[in-house]
Amino acid sequence: GENVEQHPSTLSVQEGDSAVIKCTYSDSASNYFPWYKQELGKRPQLIIDIRSNVGEKKDQRIAVTLNKTAKHFSLHITETQPEDSAVYFCAAPNYGGSQGNLIFGKGTKLSVKP
Amino acid sequence: NAGVTQTPKFQVLKTGQSMTLQCAQDMNHEYMSWYRQDPGMGLRLIHYSVGAGITDQGEVPNGYNVSRSTTEDFPLRLLSAAPSQTSVYFCASSMGGSNQPQHFGDGTRLSIL
Repeated sequence: GENVEQHPSTLSVQEGDSAVIKCTYSDSASNYFPWYKQELGKRPQLIIDIRSNVGEKKDQRIAVTLNKTAKHFSLHITETQPEDSAVYFCAAPNYGGSQGNLIFGKGTKLSVKP
Repeated sequence: NAGVTQTPKFQVLKTGQSMTLQCAQDMNHEYMSWYRQDPGMGLRLIHYSVGAGITDQGEVPNGYNVSRSTTEDFPLRLLSAAPSQTSVYFCASSMGGSNQPQHFGDGTRLSIL
């Protein structure tokens, strides 16, 4: 199955700065890479995803980049705001996606200081 | 359209007790999964199902059983609760196959004394 590593485990930035979270994966057959945001006491919610046929995807202040050769992908948040404070998880498909579930990184706790 | 519904939201058990965590989805998703979330450990896959009548083990299956008699329901059973099973449990569903996001329920917060 897939193995996902996520760094850093905690990240503190000033409001308005950028934040970058990085993940590596092990299975070269993986072709879908989502990012989830989890606020305290809430469910994880999908914020952006990327498929292996593109190298970058943007949605307003959020972007994800993918390097399939190196098997890593990153989440970029620009112009951070206090409401961006949360735990962020990256994930990759288990067994190439055939089983319909994901393997998650251990999460990054992002704190945005006003 | 309720999405993924988990019950109960909170539960306290004594060591050795058994219980079932309920999960239901109304999106006609074939694929359903159970994850547990512990501090610093992320979301770890317990069991999953690719359709009615089919289940398989994930990363941390010991101490848990599942069944999938219908497309809608995917209950998780703790056979003999242990303190190590204190966690937050999330059920998720997806349309299936690769390139499909997971839709999560609100979670069940379980404490084993």
